[in-house]
Amino acid sequence: DMQMTQSPSTLSASVGDRVTITCRASQNIYSWLAWYQHKPGKAPKLLIYKASSLQSGVPSRFSGSESGTEFTLTISSLQPDDSATYYCLQYYPIYRTFGQGTKVEI
Amino acid sequence: EVHLKDSGGGLVQSGGSLRLSCTASGFNFNTYWMSWVRQAPGKGLEWVANIKGDGSEKSYVDSVKGRFTISRDNAKNSLYLQLDNLRAEDSAVYYCARDWGEQLKVFDYWGQGTQVTVSS
Repeated sequence: DMQMTQSPSTLSASVGDRVTITCRASQNIYSWLAWYQHKPGKAPKLLIYKASSLQSGVPSRFSGSESGTEFTLTISSLQPDDSATYYCLQYYPIYRTFGQGTKVEI
Repeated sequence: EVHLKDSGGGLVQSGGSLRLSCTASGFNFNTYWMSWVRQAPGKGLEWVANIKGDGSEKSYVDSVKGRFTISRDNAKNSLYLQLDNLRAEDSAVYYCARDWGEQLKVFDYWGQGTQVTVSS
């Protein structure tokens, strides 16, 4: 089964900091990876798809990159509104699976 | 503007049933695959099921096969999830989501979720 290992599980940073979150896939997923932002009681929001494509309307401080089976979400300058839990999603095989989530505290 | 509204959750005893609904607006509903995704308390997100735009194809995660049924009514712009033989481990917030992408698909819009609690 495909496994996604996301780290760290929690992250505390200050406004203006550069923040990185990592997901590692257990198999090659050929860039089929997305990132979501999820705030309590709200609908999850798509930030990045195909590893590095920015979804329309998402601020440019969010970016995605990949190196082999390791994928990274970077927030270049953390803002107060970025406090949320972030999830990666691999969508290469039939069953799409999420990472365990990273809670970002400001 | 795309909008998805989930409803139908509640408290049910183990072995019971519920029917979740999702009403869509702001896009051509019948041209999109749609999914249900859930999040159990303290856990991450889990894709549950999806259905093609015309309803002709459906897929389920193994843990719900034979117990959950996904369906849609394109005339009503509505998506459904029938939950039967519920177990405690099915307790979760259930989200409907739109599948998007030319080849492989991500979830680009989500509802705000509906809570399902199964008591033992």
